[in-house]
Amino acid sequence: EIVLTQSPGTLSLSPGERATLSCRASQSVSSSYLAWYQQKPGQAPRLLIYGASSRATGIPDRFSGSGSGTDFTLTISRLDPEDFAVYYCQQYGSSLLTFGGGTKVEIK
Amino acid sequence: QVQVVQSGAEVKKPGASVKVSCKASGYTFTKYYIHWVRQAPGQGLQWMGLINPGGGTTSYAQKFQGRVTMTRDTSTSTVYMEVSSLRSEDTAVYYCAREYIYGSFDHWGQGTLVTVSS
Repeated sequence: EIVLTQSPGTLSLSPGERATLSCRASQSVSSSYLAWYQQKPGQAPRLLIYGASSRATGIPDRFSGSGSGTDFTLTISRLDPEDFAVYYCQQYGSSLLTFGGGTKVEIK
Repeated sequence: QVQVVQSGAEVKKPGASVKVSCKASGYTFTKYYIHWVRQAPGQGLQWMGLINPGGGTTSYAQKFQGRVTMTRDTSTSTVYMEVSSLRSEDTAVYYCAREYIYGSFDHWGQGTLVTVSS
């Protein structure tokens, strides 16, 4: 099973600042099968990025994904007040799917 | 528009079973896999398995093998997930989600809270 480790656990930033979230895999992940989600309290997760770098429908262009192999990054270029939430990375390979432990982006 | 609607909250005793439904609409039901993911209170997301609504084939995470059964009813575009031998650690919100592309989930149900308590 591929283990995804997200860092940092919590990111304290102000609106307008840049957020950089990391997702590291225990073994190589196909870039096609790496996704990022946003989750707010009491809500289901929302797909942000699939295929490591493709934005899902309706996702603002301040969200971008990059990376390959074992290191992936989600960048939020300028934090909007609605972006404070928990973010999860997820991989799918060999019929097994795993999520990272999440990064909470909180208001500083 | 695509919608995925789950059944309501459940309270069960340890050792019992629970069956959660997930009704899809707004797209061709048999063309997209449905996955189940759970989230214990204050915790992260845990993948449980998937079902291919087209052929009914399933794949379960090892942790849930033998205790989880996923089925589908194509006449009502509904997927079901049953968890048996419930224990307190199974208390969680259970989500179904449609697989869009490359294992990513573009539409999620609203979640079903299952509480296991004596």
